[in-house]
Amino acid sequence: DQQVKQNSPSLSVQEGRISILNCDYTNSMFDYFLWYKKYPAEGPTFLISISSIKDKNEDGRFTVFLNKSAKHLSLHIVPSQPGDSAVYFCAASASHSGYALNFGKGTSLLVTP
Amino acid sequence: DGGITQSPKYLFRKEGQNVTLSCEQNLNHDAMYWYRQDPGQGLRLIYYSQIVNDFQKGDIAEGYSVSREKKESFPLTVTSAQKNPTAFYLCASSIKGGYGPTDTQYFGPGTRLTVL
Repeated sequence: DQQVKQNSPSLSVQEGRISILNCDYTNSMFDYFLWYKKYPAEGPTFLISISSIKDKNEDGRFTVFLNKSAKHLSLHIVPSQPGDSAVYFCAASASHSGYALNFGKGTSLLVTP
Repeated sequence: DGGITQSPKYLFRKEGQNVTLSCEQNLNHDAMYWYRQDPGQGLRLIYYSQIVNDFQKGDIAEGYSVSREKKESFPLTVTSAQKNPTAFYLCASSIKGGYGPTDTQYFGPGTRLTVL
């Protein structure tokens, strides 16, 4: 049963505009959330994370928002650049499971010039 | 150069053969993990180890085995009991697995296993 869901398999955005990637989760025990970026045939690269005690975390062009009541988080990339084109995975973990990560299926982002 | 290495990048095996995937890290991380990715799917946890000589099953451990004899190494054996072994396998490590939410996992480049 998928506990982390990324319902948009793909997203296309123009260069310079904002990219918004969404993620929903079902397990209320999750207390730590991460975003990873992945290029084909490579391992995922950690991008940004947020703890459940916060509702926003910002790192340069990347901001993650967490809405615990809605069990929803989103990743904002602004401005989007062609190099941001990749698959983005949302992941969640809980202290009771040793912080093993539960991944969504990913959203493929294409940033066009 | 610190990091996680997985070898080989591509691996082919005949059906019914066991195969071992290598994962080595020189980051001095205590915890290591194995994931599997299938097309259009997220990463699914196979096994993880929080400390040397100890490991736990993940969500899809059936048909796999691991060992953790050294801190730096966490090899994964795909046995003939694994029904659908063809996949992209990813190894990860973190400083101290299970000891805090800020324990980010860092991934190796992956091994694509094809069973013919």
